[in-house]
Amino acid sequence: DTAVSQTPKYLVTQMGNDKSIKCEQNLGHDTMYWYKQDSKKFLKIMFSYNNKELIINETVPNRFSPKSPDKAHLNLHINSLELGDSAVYFCASSEIAGSVGELFFGEGSRLTVL
Amino acid sequence: GDSVTQMEGPVTLSEEAFLTINCTYTATGYPSLFWYVQYPGEGLQLLLKATKADDKGSNKGFEATYRKETTSFHLEKGSVQVSDSAVYFCALSDRANDYKLSFGAGTTVTVRA
Repeated sequence: DTAVSQTPKYLVTQMGNDKSIKCEQNLGHDTMYWYKQDSKKFLKIMFSYNNKELIINETVPNRFSPKSPDKAHLNLHINSLELGDSAVYFCASSEIAGSVGELFFGEGSRLTVL
Repeated sequence: GDSVTQMEGPVTLSEEAFLTINCTYTATGYPSLFWYVQYPGEGLQLLLKATKADDKGSNKGFEATYRKETTSFHLEKGSVQVSDSAVYFCALSDRANDYKLSFGAGTTVTVRA
């Protein structure tokens, strides 16, 4: 079983559309994250949830809205997609927030906006 | 704020060569330091970590020592293999910054047979 799984792995869509990426972790972790990796491999945190509560919300456009229905799931919805949203989006989880523990990453969801 | 600076790539090596990737950091408090590795088409995975000064992290033949005096955490491997081809990320986590993991820009390493 994959520890952190994301779907879809690839997503190609037109500008202006709305899309969602789903993430699930089966590690029993309390904290989940969304990271964005641009074409130069630079990684930037977007959001973090601890036990369904938002704890980190970096400077991200309002078009991005995370939702955590339970602590094992963290979804990312993006409205009115723009060309600059093209990137690889990584979901990750860790045992607890505020720790120096390991982050476990999913395989990424490559979003291409045309 | 916290930041991580690592050497720019790409780095291309022959098999069995010595690899060093430099990493220096700026942090408000006393951070923990990490190296993550991303193999082609995969997510990141933790390679090694060190939580206090003079700690040495090691895994899969890679080593890095937390040097507080030089604010560095350089990654080394004595003899690389083709399977070590990947992107390597230095990162830090600092209580003063709510333990958010800050990543360096990544260094792409290609090992030729």
